[in-house]
Amino acid sequence: KAGVTQTPRYLIKTRGQQVTLSCSPISGHRSVSWYQQTPGQGLQFLFEYFSETQRNKGNFPGRFSGRQFSNSRSEMNVSTLELGDSALYLCASSLVGGIDYGYTFGSGTRLTVV
Amino acid sequence: KQEVTQIPAALSVPEGENLVLNCSFTDSAIYNLQWFRQDPGKGLTSLLLIQSSQREQTSGRLNASLDKSSGRSTLYIAASQPGDSATYLCAAAYNQFYFGTGTSLTVIP
Repeated sequence: KAGVTQTPRYLIKTRGQQVTLSCSPISGHRSVSWYQQTPGQGLQFLFEYFSETQRNKGNFPGRFSGRQFSNSRSEMNVSTLELGDSALYLCASSLVGGIDYGYTFGSGTRLTVV
Repeated sequence: KQEVTQIPAALSVPEGENLVLNCSFTDSAIYNLQWFRQDPGKGLTSLLLIQSSQREQTSGRLNASLDKSSGRSTLYIAASQPGDSATYLCAAAYNQFYFGTGTSLTVIP
């Protein structure tokens, strides 16, 4: 079966711009979580969506937002980009939630802000 | 805030050696613990998932154990190979997943 698909794989944006990242979970999975990975901070939790509702949120500013559609696909948006937003953004899908069944991760989107 | 610690941060071993990676967590009330592997610039590949009611899980040359009372999990890799070179991350599940900072493993041919 197909895995977790993240698009695009690479992005280069300018400070002040906004960006939208996409994640398609494994078929049948209803939970999608987003993580930011940087060399200095490691993996940090952004938010989790389940059945189109945000179920949990990490400690990130309001510039980071997300949504989930009825087909469980999820998008993450970052507005007013800052240099510090450069990171690997990882999406993880789970049947109903990672705390129950663990996560399957996508390959990530590498965002570079210049 | 929950904390997950992995020691050592880096490990280099000759091919064929058995090795143990360590993961410590501060709160024993976890739902599960998952071990991942990450190759440079790539996403995370799930290796083993241990539910809170389990003590260990095995997959091929990998064995992961979980001791909630002591707040520890170990990942045992038998007969290491150069292809095992990667960063290994553990994640403890509470209301969300908390990741350790990883152990970078290099297996020398």
